[in-house]
Amino acid sequence: DIQMTQSPSSLSASVGDRVTITCRASQNIRRYLNWYQQRAGKAPRLLIFAASSLQSGVPSRFSGSGSGTDFTLTISSLQPEDFATYYCQQSTNTPWTFGQGTKVDIK
Amino acid sequence: EVQLVESGGGLVQPGGSLRLSCAASGFNLRNYWMHWVRQVPGKGLVWVSRVNSDGSYTRYEDSVKGRFTISRDNAKNTLFLQMNSLRPEDTAVYYCAREGEGNDYYLDVWGKGTTVTVSS
Repeated sequence: DIQMTQSPSSLSASVGDRVTITCRASQNIRRYLNWYQQRAGKAPRLLIFAASSLQSGVPSRFSGSGSGTDFTLTISSLQPEDFATYYCQQSTNTPWTFGQGTKVDIK
Repeated sequence: EVQLVESGGGLVQPGGSLRLSCAASGFNLRNYWMHWVRQVPGKGLVWVSRVNSDGSYTRYEDSVKGRFTISRDNAKNTLFLQMNSLRPEDTAVYYCAREGEGNDYYLDVWGKGTTVTVSS
């Protein structure tokens, strides 16, 4: 199975900060990498698919990059509604696997 | 509105069975591959199972193979997860999710989840 490792596991930031979360795959997953946001008590929400494609309706302050084994999710200017947990997920083959999550909370 | 609504969760004893349902609305289920994903409260997301659009192809996470069965009734726009021989470690919130169109393989629509508790 492909292991997905996110860093950091948690971070504290302020509104307006630029936030970067990284995700590393244990083998080459090309660009089959997706990012999800999960607010407390809610279902996950797709933010980015195929490493860098913004899902419809997602604010443009979210962006993704990378290919192969190393990927990044960037929030250009953190907003109050962005305090949540973020997960990367590979879909190059089954079992699809998620990173352990990165919790973004208020500094 | 595109929506998925799970049901069927509850409290069950170890070794017991449950059948989860996921009702789709706002889109034609027969056109989409579907998934189940679970989450132990306070923990991360774990992919459980995948089924193709007509139900002829299925895949499972290793810990549920031989115990869980994913299926679908496209005429009723409903996805199912039959869970047998349940263990305490199956306790989780179970989400159904739609796989997006095309060849990028992502989950673009999620239900709100249904809670399964396996305990004596």
